[in-house]
Parts: sequence; C-alpha cells; structure tokens
Amino acid sequence: GNSVTQMEGPVTLSEEAFLTINCTYTATGYPSLFWYVQYPGEGLQLLLKATKADDKGSNKGFEATYRKETTSFHLEKGSVQVSDSAVYFCALSDPGSGNTGKLIFGQGTTLQVKP
Amino acid sequence: DAGITQSPRHKVTETGTPVTLRCHQTENHRYMYWYRQDPGHGLRLIHYSYGVKDTDKGEVSDGYSVSRSKTEDFLLTLESATSSQTSVYFCAISGQGVTGELFFGEGSRLTVL
Repeated sequence: GNSVTQMEGPVTLSEEAFLTINCTYTATGYPSLFWYVQYPGEGLQLLLKATKADDKGSNKGFEATYRKETTSFHLEKGSVQVSDSAVYFCALSDPGSGNTGKLIFGQGTTLQVKP
Repeated sequence: DAGITQSPRHKVTETGTPVTLRCHQTENHRYMYWYRQDPGHGLRLIHYSYGVKDTDKGEVSDGYSVSRSKTEDFLLTLESATSSQTSVYFCAISGQGVTGELFFGEGSRLTVL
C-alpha cells in the first residue's frame, strides 16, 4: 500500500547549520507531496507542497523537490534557527482516494536547534 | 488562522465509558477528517467526511464512529473507550481535495485509564 518513511529523529543541530530531513514514499499513481510542521502544543500547519514530479516547494527558507525517480521528497534548509525547533511530517495524498484529500503521514522527525 | 475549534482539549476518562470529541469549523469547507497522533506512528486517519451525512472509514477506524449532521460540525465517538485509544486527536478540514492544504485544529488529548 501507500506509505511514507522519514528518517528517525531526534535531529539536533546548532544554529545556522544545514538541515536535511529525508523522506521517501511508496505510492501507486501520482500523489501530491507535503511537508507539515508542528510546533509544541499546536496542530500541524502546511510548510510546503509539490504536486508533480520535479516541482520544488519552498517556504520560510525550507525547500523540497519532488523526485519521482528516487521516490523522495527531502526537506532542506540552508541555515536553521532556534525557532525552527519542531516536529516535521512528510505526507502524500492518497492517489486512490479520488478527490477526498486524505493524506498519509510519515512518523515525524523532531528537530532541536541549539543556540 | 483557519477557524477550527476542537472540544474538549483535554479529557481523562475510564475504560468502558463513552467519549465524544467535537470539531467545529467556520470555513464552510466540504472535507473534514479525524486523525490520531501517537509516538512512532505519525498521524493516522480514523474517519473522514466529504459532506453532510457522508462519511467513510480511514485506516484505524475500529472502535470509533463519526457523525456529520451539519457542515460545520464533525463528531468523533468512542462508544466504549479502551486504553489503546489514549492519544492526541486532531481534526482537519480541507476545501480543495487532493492537492489542497489541510488545516488542523489544536488537538484533543484523551487519556483512558
């Protein structure tokens, strides 16, 4: 079935370090791909998305490119800040779900940025 | 911020009791979802709705039921709560279907003793 696999955390970085959080997926058809972020005590919010192969999503300095050949959607940021500390979720739209908008989430990766 | 309100935000209950969580939206979005969040599992879909009185099961629907009698309200019911249903429950809404953004509520933390 369709699934999303993220690198295990927690990831601990110093401020201004380069960030990569790996995400790979398994899906039939052509899903849309998403990164969501969850700050402590809050719900998830969309960080970026890509709807077709080779699309690059970007927001707040974060980027991810939809790579169909490697079934990946890795999240990157050139210089992290303490305020980026959060849990990051990779997700895909279920291609077999019609237009219902159901998402399949990875297990989440906790990022901790130290000053 | 999307207008989504979940209630209650925190609840402690005992095994075997019924529990209802409420999700209320002010966005008039068509789609509504209930997810549960557990360590190591990310978010898993329990049930979703694609219109008033139109609902369907997600991947972890056993032990849960839902109802949607109005566009703005989506209720999740645990008929007889079990300890395995201790979790954080998130409601989400979407107006755009497969490529659209999900907007999440702040979550409801349920503890079943």
